Amino acid sequence: QKEVEQNSGPLSVPEGAIASLNCTYSDRVSQSFFWYRQYSGKSPELIMSIYSNGDKEDGRFTAQLNKASQYVSLLIRDSQPSDSATYLCAVFKAAGNKLTFGGGTRVLVKP
Amino acid sequence: KAGVTQTPRYLIKTRGQQVTLSCSPISGHRSVSWYQQTPGQGLQFLFEYFSETQRNKGNFPGRFSGRQFSNSRSEMNVSTLELGDSALYLCASSLSQVGTDTQYFGPGTRLTVL
Repeated sequence: QKEVEQNSGPLSVPEGAIASLNCTYSDRVSQSFFWYRQYSGKSPELIMSIYSNGDKEDGRFTAQLNKASQYVSLLIRDSQPSDSATYLCAVFKAAGNKLTFGGGTRVLVKP
Repeated sequence: KAGVTQTPRYLIKTRGQQVTLSCSPISGHRSVSWYQQTPGQGLQFLFEYFSETQRNKGNFPGRFSGRQFSNSRSEMNVSTLELGDSALYLCASSLSQVGTDTQYFGPGTRLTVL
């Protein structure tokens, strides 16, 4: 079992719809959770971080964390063609002091 | 503020050779992490340096090594290159703590091993 798992996609959503991305992790002691966006040919950029259970909203993005279920998700509201990218989930454990990334979910927003 | 810079951007080497990649973090950032990204394995952690000390290392063979200088600039070295080392190598810098401080990625070095 991989430490961080994501559906590779592509997740195809119409413009204006909500894109829902999921990520599961295997280690219960994981402490911090991050969503990165990576455009084709570019490097990853951080879009959201979440540390405690519940929802965290930032503009059109909402991250949801459920530590009991070892699950973190990202919602993109009012999806735009510019949101078409690969979204990487990353999980941090203090023991080891490293970020572990999932394989990424490719999102395609169709006009 | 200048972002993370990596040199060179592209590199072509042959099997058996060695290569050194360079990363200059954002000014004031003391933590530098290195990652390997391939289509098959995704983004994998190589190692992290903080104040010239390797703080953590991923599951890569000893052919992969790195160091950090007093100005926080970091280098990564791969010896005896193999075809499977072809990848995008990314470095990321953060102020101090990887788990709480935002990591900013450089543009990467695309290494091709022939």
